Amino acid sequence: GAGVSQTPSNKVTEKGKYVELRCDPISGHTALYWYRQSLGQGPEFLIYFQGTGAADDSGLPNDRFFAVRPEGSVSTLKIQRTERGDSAVYLCASSLTGYSTDTQYFGPGTRLTVL
Amino acid sequence: KNEVEQSPQNLTAQEGEFITINCSYSVGISALHWLQQHPGGGIVSLFMLSSGKKKHGRLIATINIQEKHSSLHITASHPRDSAVYICAASYNNNDMRFGAGTRLTVKP
Repeated sequence: GAGVSQTPSNKVTEKGKYVELRCDPISGHTALYWYRQSLGQGPEFLIYFQGTGAADDSGLPNDRFFAVRPEGSVSTLKIQRTERGDSAVYLCASSLTGYSTDTQYFGPGTRLTVL
Repeated sequence: KNEVEQSPQNLTAQEGEFITINCSYSVGISALHWLQQHPGGGIVSLFMLSSGKKKHGRLIATINIQEKHSSLHITASHPRDSAVYICAASYNNNDMRFGAGTRLTVKP
């Protein structure tokens, strides 16, 4: 069975541009998480979906960041007017039920570089 | 101040040595996770524990709820164990806080 996949694996963009990052969770997993990892640091929580709805978006740094999961499976993280500080690896994870004691399965990440 | 603190930040060992990585967290949690991250970003969940001790092969994870402390041990370390090991605490609201990671290098 396929794990969590993310596309693209690498994205280079210019400051001010718009980017979309995609996450395909494990089939049947209701919970989906987005994290951001800067160089040399642990991941940082951005947003958590339970089904189609964003159950907790308290980690999104500002209103340039937005995420959707319209059919409860694939999710897209959208970043408007990118800034150099947005450069990081964006990780997606999914879990079966979303209980805090569930194992989260991580994707390989998308490395975003804003020039 | 990060709510999850790991030590050491970097660790170099010789093949065969016993490895210990420590993790402290500041408030009550629902579970403590140990993750392994290889170069290139892939993260694998090693353990999830809320009490006691778990063992998988050469890896052992322990947690002391009263002291808010967890340890990851690797016995008979091998160069293929070289990776970043991350401790993460999950809370009832599904918030998950990560430590900064411990970079382990095992030399042959």
